[in-house]
Amino acid sequence: QQQVKQSPQSLIVQKGGISIINCAYENTAFDYFPWYQQFPGKGPALLIAIRPDVSEKKEGRFTISFNKSAKQFSLHIMDSQPGDSATYFCAASIFMRAQKLVFGQGTRLTINP
Amino acid sequence: EAGVAQSPRYKIIEKRQSVAFWCNPISGHATLYWYQQILGQGPKLLIQFQNNGVVDDSQLPKDRFSAERLKGVDSTLKIQPAKLEDSAVYLCASSLKNHQAPTYEQFFGPGTRLTVL
Repeated sequence: QQQVKQSPQSLIVQKGGISIINCAYENTAFDYFPWYQQFPGKGPALLIAIRPDVSEKKEGRFTISFNKSAKQFSLHIMDSQPGDSATYFCAASIFMRAQKLVFGQGTRLTINP
Repeated sequence: EAGVAQSPRYKIIEKRQSVAFWCNPISGHATLYWYQQILGQGPKLLIQFQNNGVVDDSQLPKDRFSAERLKGVDSTLKIQPAKLEDSAVYLCASSLKNHQAPTYEQFFGPGTRLTVL
């Protein structure tokens, strides 16, 4: 029940296209859903996060869509650029309890120029 | 603002040897985390400290792993003895969360890549 399932494992998108990564969770107590971006040799860095009181959050080219009833959330990258090529992790936690993040398995995104 | 510092960046040891990793969190960050990231997987929390107290160590293999944060700042993670399956990147993260500033963003260091032969 603590798992967060992420798909796809890898994704190739043409420059300018839309990249979509999906995550699903089981624990209904989760109420904080961040996305992290990781480049080779670096630690993950927070990209964008959402709480379940909203269904969508947008920051620049990055958008999180959240479906509470389906227990799913997704990351959309608009106008994908070669610099977006990285591994993306979704995660979930209980906001007020110790911030223990449960990560998905990761998606390796490649943007072809 | 300096980020989370970790050392060493790489370590290669034989199985059954011991190894230690060091982490210096961002100044003023009360909460410190150690994660294990096996190749091709997401990070898995090993232990979480709030100041120098342990908040969560439920996924720490306590028969071989230990961690401490004696003065509420730096932290060390030790493995003794190492097994082949301990080969992974060990990530340290910190966050500012305290009762006055509940900021939940975790800032990660670059990690230590451990190879056990």
